[in-house]
Amino acid sequence: DAGVIQSPRHEVTEMGQEVTLRCKPISGHDYLFWYRQTMMRGLELLIYFNNNVPIDDSGMPEDRFSAKMPNASFSTLKIQPSEPRDSAVYFCASSLSGGPKTGTDTQYFGPGTRLTVL
Amino acid sequence: GEDVEQSLFLSVREGDSSVINCTYTDSSSTYLYWYKQEPGAGLQLLTYIFSNMDMKQDQRLTVLLNKKDKHLSLRIADTQTGDSAIYFCAESGGYQKVTFGTGTKLQVIP
Repeated sequence: DAGVIQSPRHEVTEMGQEVTLRCKPISGHDYLFWYRQTMMRGLELLIYFNNNVPIDDSGMPEDRFSAKMPNASFSTLKIQPSEPRDSAVYFCASSLSGGPKTGTDTQYFGPGTRLTVL
Repeated sequence: GEDVEQSLFLSVREGDSSVINCTYTDSSSTYLYWYKQEPGAGLQLLTYIFSNMDMKQDQRLTVLLNKKDKHLSLRIADTQTGDSAIYFCAESGGYQKVTFGTGTKLQVIP
C-alpha cells in the first residue's frame, strides 16, 4: 500500500481565499483523522471520522473550517476564508479498528500539507 | 481530559544513550506509543506497549512503563545522527482517539 496520501504537499495562498486539503487513507482503514501542527500549539486533533461519519469535531477551531468524507477513500479539509493564523502543517492519518487486543489504534500519518496564508 | 507531557528538548552525543521521558494522566490508557517525526515528514510509529507490560525492547529501543506513576520512557541505545528527530509520546484507551504529547526534539551531536 502507498500509505496515506495527502495533496497538495505545499500550499501558499492569500488571506481570504478558500483552501482545500485532500487525503486518501490507507485502503481498508475505517478511521480517518485530521491534525494541525504548529510550533506554538504542537499537534492538535481537529476532527476524526469512523466509516465516513464525523465522530468528534470538537477540535475544529471555528466555522471557517469544515471537513468531509464522501467515501472511504477520500476526505477533504476546507478553510474558507483562510487567515494568516491558519498557517501550519496539516496531517491526515488513518487507522484500522480492532479493539485493544489487536493493538490497532496505531495511526498511520501522511506526509502533511504545509499551508502558508499570506 | 487526557494530557500527555514531555520535555521539549534533549541533546546527546553520538554513541551515547538517549532517554526521552513522558507522563500521562489517563489511568484508563490501554496503549502507549512512541512516534518519530523527521523534518518535513509525518509521524511514524516507532513502537508501542500495552498498559499491562512493564518493558518492551526492540533492537536499540527500550520502552519502560511505570503504570503507577503514569510514566513512560524511551531509551535509544548507541544514538546515531539519524536518530535526530522529534519524538512524540501518545496514549489511547483502545477507542481510536489517540492523545499526543508535545514532542521532544532530540539533537544528536557528532
